[in-house]
Amino acid sequence: EAGVAQSPRYKIIEKRQSVAFWCNPISGHATLYWYQQILGQGPKLLIQFQNNGVVDDSQLPKDRFSAERLKGVDSTLKIQPAKLEDSAVYLCASSPIRVPGTGELFFGEGSRLTVL
Amino acid sequence: KNEVEQSPQNLTAQEGEFITINCSYSVGISALHWLQQHPGGGIVSLFMLSSGKKKHGRLIATINIQEKHSSLHITASHPRDSAVYICAVSNNYGQNFVFGPGTRLSVLP
Repeated sequence: EAGVAQSPRYKIIEKRQSVAFWCNPISGHATLYWYQQILGQGPKLLIQFQNNGVVDDSQLPKDRFSAERLKGVDSTLKIQPAKLEDSAVYLCASSPIRVPGTGELFFGEGSRLTVL
Repeated sequence: KNEVEQSPQNLTAQEGEFITINCSYSVGISALHWLQQHPGGGIVSLFMLSSGKKKHGRLIATINIQEKHSSLHITASHPRDSAVYICAVSNNYGQNFVFGPGTRLSVLP
């Protein structure tokens, strides 16, 4: 079974530039999460999708971050414009269970963003 | 107070030692997860448990619901066990996972 795919693995940009990350979850997984992990900290939820609908985006900085999952499969996370404090690893995870928080999580390798 | 706390923050052990990492939480939960993150790598789910004890190879995870505490044990530790171990919980309302800060483990040969 193929795992959660993410790209790019690494990205370096200057502040005020834009960046986009892509995630393809495990086939059939209805729930998709985007997390931000700053060095030395645990992952912090940015947004959760159930199929193509947003379940929770309360911690997404909507003035600069946006995410979509148009067909309920793959998803993109965009940052525009980027700030220095956005330097982090962006993790995508999926879960086969519809009830949030009750299923096993499967993570991608992450996309490491460095903002200069 | 953070909803999920872990101890110790950092742990260095000699190969072969028995290792314990602790997790305590302050909310009612529906499930607790132990995750492993290698440097530069993604996160792998080790265990998902809501009661009792689970064992997989040299890894054992226990949970005490009444005390709101879980432990991850590694027997006969090996340098390849060096990683960050993260505890995550979801609360009784089935809301999203809350992650602990992680425990950085280094096992020396």
